[in-house]
Amino acid sequence: AQSVAQPEDQVNVAEGNPLTVKCTYSVSGNPYLFWYVQYPNRGLQFLLKYITGDNLVKGSYGFEAEFNKSQTSFHLKKPSALVSDSALYFCAVRFHGGATNKLIFGTGTLLAVQP
Amino acid sequence: GAVVSQHPSWVICKSGTSVKIECRSLDFQATTMFWYRQFPKQSLMLMATSNEGSKATYEQGVEKDKFLINHASLTLSTLTVTSAHPEDSSFYICSAPFPLLAKNIQYFGAGTRLSVL
Repeated sequence: AQSVAQPEDQVNVAEGNPLTVKCTYSVSGNPYLFWYVQYPNRGLQFLLKYITGDNLVKGSYGFEAEFNKSQTSFHLKKPSALVSDSALYFCAVRFHGGATNKLIFGTGTLLAVQP
Repeated sequence: GAVVSQHPSWVICKSGTSVKIECRSLDFQATTMFWYRQFPKQSLMLMATSNEGSKATYEQGVEKDKFLINHASLTLSTLTVTSAHPEDSSFYICSAPFPLLAKNIQYFGAGTRLSVL
């Protein structure tokens, strides 16, 4: 079964410090991995994706993620956190088989950046 | 700017009434759209895949007679919550895969908060 796990419900970090939001996955075949961010009462916004190529993927708002095949991880990172980064972050994997582009989401990680 | 528009953003209705939520792709065609439900502080639960010109595909446990989906055109999918009850109160979000080069990216509507009294 294909799945994605976000082991942390919440991550707290001080402004200016680096941040990491963890994600691990389980898929058959090559994974298509995504990170989305959700602000309160809003839909999800695309941050970045890994399909193939370089393991380090750069995305919007200074975020990046590293695909690690041996550890089946796709952690989201940012060198210097901003208070405005505080939001709910979702990792997702594209479902292979059935409807094209069907996504499976992790449970989400609330990022709280303190000033 | 937004590439997927969802309307309304917030609706309050009485128990027993039906509510229609619209999801539109802006400036691109979407033969497939997805409908999600999100409870407070929880992840998105895929409810169904909306297919233009054919029946929607519902996920296990989702009542198709309760949540009617119509994808009548290449830019519009609607979700109708029929005979709504308080337990249907939730945040409903639609998405559409953006075609061509970015076809693997889904774009999401801003969501609809449904409150059933």
